[in-house]
Amino acid sequence: GNSVTQMEGPVTLSEEAFLTINCTYTATGYPSLFWYVQYPGEGLQLLLKATKADDKGSNKGFEATYRKETTSFHLEKGSVQVSDSAVYFCALRSSGSRLTFGEGTQLTVNP
Amino acid sequence: DAGVIQSPRHEVTEMGQEVTLRCKPISGHDYLFWYRQTMMRGLELLIYFNNNVPIDDSGMPEDRFSAKMPNASFSTLKIQPSEPRDSAVYFCASSGQGRGGHLREQFFGPGTRLTVL
Repeated sequence: GNSVTQMEGPVTLSEEAFLTINCTYTATGYPSLFWYVQYPGEGLQLLLKATKADDKGSNKGFEATYRKETTSFHLEKGSVQVSDSAVYFCALRSSGSRLTFGEGTQLTVNP
Repeated sequence: DAGVIQSPRHEVTEMGQEVTLRCKPISGHDYLFWYRQTMMRGLELLIYFNNNVPIDDSGMPEDRFSAKMPNASFSTLKIQPSEPRDSAVYFCASSGQGRGGHLREQFFGPGTRLTVL
């Protein structure tokens, strides 16, 4: 079956630090890959996505590249801000309509 | 558009009581999803509908849980009787279908925080 594994959190960084949150997946076929962000007290929002191998998704300074050879979709940002503090979820969608989510990684950015 | 609307935002009830959570999807979206989020189990898909028809309810924990979608603009998730272990945040999400039949982005509601005492 499908599964997503994220690096364990929580992650605490200082403002302007470099961020990497690792995500690897197991799936049948050729899944689409997503990063969602959840700010405190809110629902999940789509941050970025990639639908095929070597695609790079990007949004708000965040990037992730679909690596089929390593089955990975790591999230990166060159310089984090306090406002980036949130929980980040990696997810995949293989055939059908279901999204499979990772466990989520709590990010705290200190000024 | 107001986005996905859920009510209530918070619900506190006693064990054994019936709980009904409500969701209004984004107009024009023909997929609706119910999720449950807990610290222990993360985000779990409970059930989803396509064109008001339940497609996959394999995530519904047990018979105490039921979900309905009587029309395209309204869905309910009911727990009867409720138990303390049902305490969680319940999210509703909706999405539309793009050309070629692929699913578009899921938009999540703000969630209902349920506490069962």
